[in-house]
Amino acid sequence: EVQLVESGGGLVQPGGSLRLSCAASGFTFSSYEMNWVRQAPGKGLEWVSYISSSGSTIYYADSVKGRFTISRDNAKNSLYLQMNSLRAEDTAVYYCHVGATPRGVFDYWGQGTLVTVSS
Amino acid sequence: SYELTQPPSVSVSPGQTARITCSGDALPKQYAYWYQQKPGQAPVLVIYKDSERPSGIPERFSGSSSGTTVTLTISGVQAEDEADYYCQSADSSGTYPRVFGTGTKVTVL
Repeated sequence: EVQLVESGGGLVQPGGSLRLSCAASGFTFSSYEMNWVRQAPGKGLEWVSYISSSGSTIYYADSVKGRFTISRDNAKNSLYLQMNSLRAEDTAVYYCHVGATPRGVFDYWGQGTLVTVSS
Repeated sequence: SYELTQPPSVSVSPGQTARITCSGDALPKQYAYWYQQKPGQAPVLVIYKDSERPSGIPERFSGSSSGTTVTLTISGVQAEDEADYYCQSADSSGTYPRVFGTGTKVTVL
């Protein structure tokens, strides 16, 4: 069974940092590109960042570029998101997502972890 | 940045057909994917590569593409189809490999 389990969310003050983790199981993690997607309370889905299967190609949404860093450890089947200089508008549920692509329909989401940025 | 535009809401009576559009300049060149999200749940893929349906998704869900617009059609809408729906695609340059549409709330009357 495919599982994506996020952790590391919580309450943080503006300007602070958090590191999210996503533990993957039930599939060959090293073969799949991964994404972080977030959803602010009552709002729509927002793609945050992408990392290729090897980690060699990375993209960020403009809203987080320069503040967030995506990484992965294929030996540990884990995906990470280092979030620095957090702002109130970063408050959201953050999902780990392996998404369908032109090469296949493999598509799974984690349950999400809530990040709240507030003083 | 790149944007995908959807209508905020669609209302439909049970048994009728709901059509949700998604517009974006790169859609003639990039595949679209559609997700259904119910309150408090993670999204679920209902259409991939414009018109393909994953296993386990009811046949009443279908997708189509024409120029800069893709459409999700739900035929014979059921009460359980009430949810938010998001299209997802990429920009033509590859800078934004995954962009979500603005989302459409489908209400079953």
